[in-house]
Amino acid sequence: DIQMTQSPSSLSASIGDRVTITCRASQGIRNYLAWYQQKPGKVPKVLIYGASTLQSGVPSRFSGSGSGTDFTLTISSLQPDDVATYYCQKYNSAPYTFGQGTKLEIK
Amino acid sequence: EVQLVQSGAEVKKPGESLKISCKAPKDTFTYSWIAWVRQMPGKGLEWMGIIYPSDSDTKYSPSVQGQVTISADKSISTAYLQWSSLKASDTAMYYCARLGDYFDYWGQGTLVTVSS
Repeated sequence: DIQMTQSPSSLSASIGDRVTITCRASQGIRNYLAWYQQKPGKVPKVLIYGASTLQSGVPSRFSGSGSGTDFTLTISSLQPDDVATYYCQKYNSAPYTFGQGTKLEIK
Repeated sequence: EVQLVQSGAEVKKPGESLKISCKAPKDTFTYSWIAWVRQMPGKGLEWMGIIYPSDSDTKYSPSVQGQVTISADKSISTAYLQWSSLKASDTAMYYCARLGDYFDYWGQGTLVTVSS
């Protein structure tokens, strides 16, 4: 089965910083990669699908890139509301594995 | 917007059985895959399995295969996640999610607590 590895597992950054989270698949998944934001006690929210397509309603400071095995989620200017845990997930075929998550905090 | 509505929180004892549900709009339900995702306390998201209600084709994660059963009732547009004998380690939040072009719609979650 394909493994999904996110890095870093946690991250502390200042307001206004550019933040990058990476996700690596152990085999190619083309662009079948989604990114989620989850705040404590809340349902995961889709940010990005198709590796780079912004979900409707998601602020444009979020962007995704990559294809094949290496993917990136970028927040161009970190805002207080972005404090959350972020997950990647492959959805090309079962098993639809998640990355282990990246906990983002404000410095 | 598609709404997936899950059943309410459950408190059970080890060894008890349980079936939780996820109801979707009928047109969405029949021709979409419905997945279950587990989140143990303080942990990450874990994909458990998925079902295509139209023909009941079901796939499981190796980590839960044999531990749970995923099923669906097309007549009431509802998917289920079932345990025959709960363990304390089954304590978690369980989400259902629809696989459209991606996992686009999620239920609100069902908290299952297993404690003696």
